[in-house]
Amino acid sequence: AQSVTQPDIHITVSEGASLELRCNYSYGATPYLFWYVQSPGQGLQLLLKYFSGDTLVQGIKGFEAEFKRSQSSFNLRKPSVHWSDAAEYFCAVGAQTNAGKSTFGDGTTLTVKP
Amino acid sequence: SAVISQKPSRDICQRGTSLTIQCQVDSQVTMMFWYRQQPGQSLTLIATANQGSEATYESGFVIDKFPISRPNLTFSTLTVSNMSPEDSSIYLCSARLMQGWETQYFGPGTRLLVL
Repeated sequence: AQSVTQPDIHITVSEGASLELRCNYSYGATPYLFWYVQSPGQGLQLLLKYFSGDTLVQGIKGFEAEFKRSQSSFNLRKPSVHWSDAAEYFCAVGAQTNAGKSTFGDGTTLTVKP
Repeated sequence: SAVISQKPSRDICQRGTSLTIQCQVDSQVTMMFWYRQQPGQSLTLIATANQGSEATYESGFVIDKFPISRPNLTFSTLTVSNMSPEDSSIYLCSARLMQGWETQYFGPGTRLLVL
């Protein structure tokens, strides 16, 4: 069965500092991997996704993530955080068939200090 | 990509009543899903809405409590029946497109408070 672990429940960074949110997954084959962001009072917005190919993927809002098969990780990064990045971030392993189910991590809450 | 809208965006309801949440997608989709997100928690899948047939419910969720309809490829409803305060939550609609089914898109959510 597939699973996703986000080890950090809550992270606080200063505005302008770099950010890394961790995500570890468990899946037998090459997974489809996603990061979503949920701002307060909003739904989930897709930040980026990895299916295959280049292991460093670029997303919206200046985010990037790197797929590391050897570590079963898909960590999200941003070089310089803005106050508007404060939100909940979810990592997900996607379904491998159209009828399959995705698996979501428990989320990491990002707080940005001025 | 897909744009998913939900109605209502939020509601306050009395216990014992029912609320129907609508989900509309601007593209034809294959799979539609309903999730619940309780305060400060991750997403819990309630059911998969199947077009033209009964929804497929996850463990712990039953049709009598959460009846779901999906009359066509772009629309679904979720009803929360006989509500109690424990049903206070965010309900999220999600869908996969016919083209590019690998990505799952989400609606803005419906915030439900049951008094």
